[in-house]
Amino acid sequence: GENVEQHPSTLSVQEGDSAVIKCTYSDSASNYFPWYKQELGKGPQLIIDIRSNVGEKKDQRIAVTLNKTAKHFSLHITETQPEDSAVYFCAASIDNAGNMLTFGGGTRLMVKP
Amino acid sequence: DTEVTQTPKHLVMGMTNKKSLKCEQHMGHRAMYWYKQKAKKPPELMFVYSYEKLSINESVPSRFSPECPNSSLLNLHLHALQPEDSALYLCASSQDPTWGFEQYFGPGTRLTVT
Repeated sequence: GENVEQHPSTLSVQEGDSAVIKCTYSDSASNYFPWYKQELGKGPQLIIDIRSNVGEKKDQRIAVTLNKTAKHFSLHITETQPEDSAVYFCAASIDNAGNMLTFGGGTRLMVKP
Repeated sequence: DTEVTQTPKHLVMGMTNKKSLKCEQHMGHRAMYWYKQKAKKPPELMFVYSYEKLSINESVPSRFSPECPNSSLLNLHLHALQPEDSALYLCASSQDPTWGFEQYFGPGTRLTVT
């Protein structure tokens, strides 16, 4: 089955700095890669996603890049704010509908004011 | 309304008890999911329902029994659980099980098995 590795497990940045989280996946058939943000006491919330036919996607301060050849994808958050502090999960799905998500281990991001 | 609701928020049960978790969405979504999340770990997929039919069972023990009575409601029946089953149980839904749409997660039910 699919295996997704995520690094780093914790990341501390100063407010206004950029944060980068990286994930690698094992199954070259994976074609859908969402990123979720989970705040304390809440369920995960999708913040951005990318499909295998796209190399990069941006939404305001958040961007995701995908390198299919190397089987890795990254989340970039610019101009970080304290409210960005949360646990971030990458995921990969092998089915076209994105039903079977395999999650990475998570990154705890702390943005210091 | 992009909300998935789950009840109860917290549940404590003994190993001989029978209890049920409930999940509801009114977004017209036709795919619903159960995930299990242990502390400081990522969510793990348990079940997927497509058009009210069980389509994926990720080798979950039979002491967990899912049910989808209608397109808005998803239940997880629990019986004879073990302490290691203590976790956050998340429900999610997505618009269409045959096309890649965002999964909306509920806040979860925190289950403790004593």
